[in-house]
Amino acid sequence: EVQLVESGGGSVQPGGSLRLSCAASGFAFSSYAMNWVRQAPGKGLEWVSAISSGGSTIYYADSVQGRFTIARDNSKNTLYLQMSSLRAEDTALYYCAKVACSDTSCYVDYWGQGTLVTVSS
Amino acid sequence: QLLLSQSPSASASLGASVKLTCTLSSGHSTYAIAWHQQQPKKGPRYLMRLNSDGSHYKGDGVPDRFSGSSSGPERYLTISSLQSEDEAEYYCQTWVTGIVIFGGGTKLTVL
Repeated sequence: EVQLVESGGGSVQPGGSLRLSCAASGFAFSSYAMNWVRQAPGKGLEWVSAISSGGSTIYYADSVQGRFTIARDNSKNTLYLQMSSLRAEDTALYYCAKVACSDTSCYVDYWGQGTLVTVSS
Repeated sequence: QLLLSQSPSASASLGASVKLTCTLSSGHSTYAIAWHQQQPKKGPRYLMRLNSDGSHYKGDGVPDRFSGSSSGPERYLTISSLQSEDEAEYYCQTWVTGIVIFGGGTKLTVL
């Protein structure tokens, strides 16, 4: 059974930093791209960042570029999101998401339960 | 620019059927998408991937009541024999060169 378990969320002041982790199990973690997706209170899903299976290719949403860093440790089956210079608008539930690819496209096929990040003074 | 458009809300009666729509932006009518369900106070759940030819492949444990179809730039999610637990937000999602794109979501109310 695929499991994605996020941790590391919490309350932080504007300008502060936080590191999220996602422990993966039930699949060959090193073979799949992984993503972070967030959801602000009462809002829709917003893609944040993606990392390829080996970690060599990384993408960021414009809203977090230069402030967030995605990484993975395939020996520990763990995905990370280092967040710095946090702003109030970064307040959201952060989901870890596994990506699968078919011959036509790629898509999220498993989601974690989310970890809440609150940025407030 | 690749965008996905969804109606903000939909409603249907218990036991009836409903068809939700996700529209791909101009020039992107051949893109495949995925549908995700988010029940109240829960994380999203993958329902299915849906190709431009209407072929679709469901996730583990997704009931037969859920099906997908396509027409041009439109991608549909049909839920038949609506149950109370189908009341949820439904998001469509696509992908381009490593970037995941979501539609704004449709909130389905079961009457």
